[in-house]
Amino acid sequence: SQELTQPPSVSVSPGQTASMTCFGDKVGNKYISWYQQRPGQSPVLVIYKDNQRPSGIPERFSGSSSGNTATLTISGAQAMDEADYYCQMWDSSAAVFGGGTKLTV
Amino acid sequence: EVQLVESGGNLVQPGGTLRLSCATSGFPFSDHYMDWVRQAPGKGLEWVGRSRNKRNNYTPEYAASVRGRVIISRDDSKRSLYLEMNSLKTEDTAVYYCVSASGGTLAFDVWGQGTVVVVSS
Repeated sequence: SQELTQPPSVSVSPGQTASMTCFGDKVGNKYISWYQQRPGQSPVLVIYKDNQRPSGIPERFSGSSSGNTATLTISGAQAMDEADYYCQMWDSSAAVFGGGTKLTV
Repeated sequence: EVQLVESGGNLVQPGGTLRLSCATSGFPFSDHYMDWVRQAPGKGLEWVGRSRNKRNNYTPEYAASVRGRVIISRDDSKRSLYLEMNSLKTEDTAVYYCVSASGGTLAFDVWGQGTVVVVSS
C-alpha cells in the first residue's frame, strides 16, 4: 500500500519560513491535502488539491507538489502555527496519512 | 455553522462492541461523503472508513486494519453517521473523529471534536 513519509520534527524561528515535506512513491500523481492539529484540538484542513487554501486559512500557508514530494510552506511562521501537520492522499479508495511533523516555532 | 458532534465513546473490554454516533448540522449532509478517522494516544491520524452519499448508493469503504470488524452507516433523515465496532482490540483505543468530505476538495473538510474509546480489561 502507498505510504507517506514526513520528518518527525521541524523547527523555525518566528517570522521565518517553515517547510515541511511529504514523500511517497506516487505523490506527484495524487492530490495531497494537509491538516494542522494544535495540541488538544481536532485537525483542521489547511491545504487541499496540493496547493488550494480553504476559506479562512491565512495566505502564509501554501502547498506544492513535484515528483515524489509534496511540501507545505508557512511564510512568516507565527507562534500560533506551532502544531502537528499531517499530509494525506487517496490510494485505491483508501485514505493514507503521513506520520505527521511537529512544527516548533 | 457546520457542526459535527460525536458521542458513544466509552471504556469497553477486549472482544466487546461499541456504537459511535455523529450528529451533524449546518451543511447538506445527504450530499456529503462522511468518514471516521481515529488517533491513538500520542500517535498520528488513521483513517477508519467512509460512507458515500445517496447518489453513490451509500457504498462504504474500510481500512484494512478494521475491515470485517466495523460497519459504517448513516441516516440522512437524522443527519447522523454511525460507526459500529465489534471484536474490539486494545489497539482500537483512540479518539474517533467524525469527518465531513464535500467531494470537491478531495479532502476532509470539517472535523468533529472526537469521542474517546478505551479498550481495556
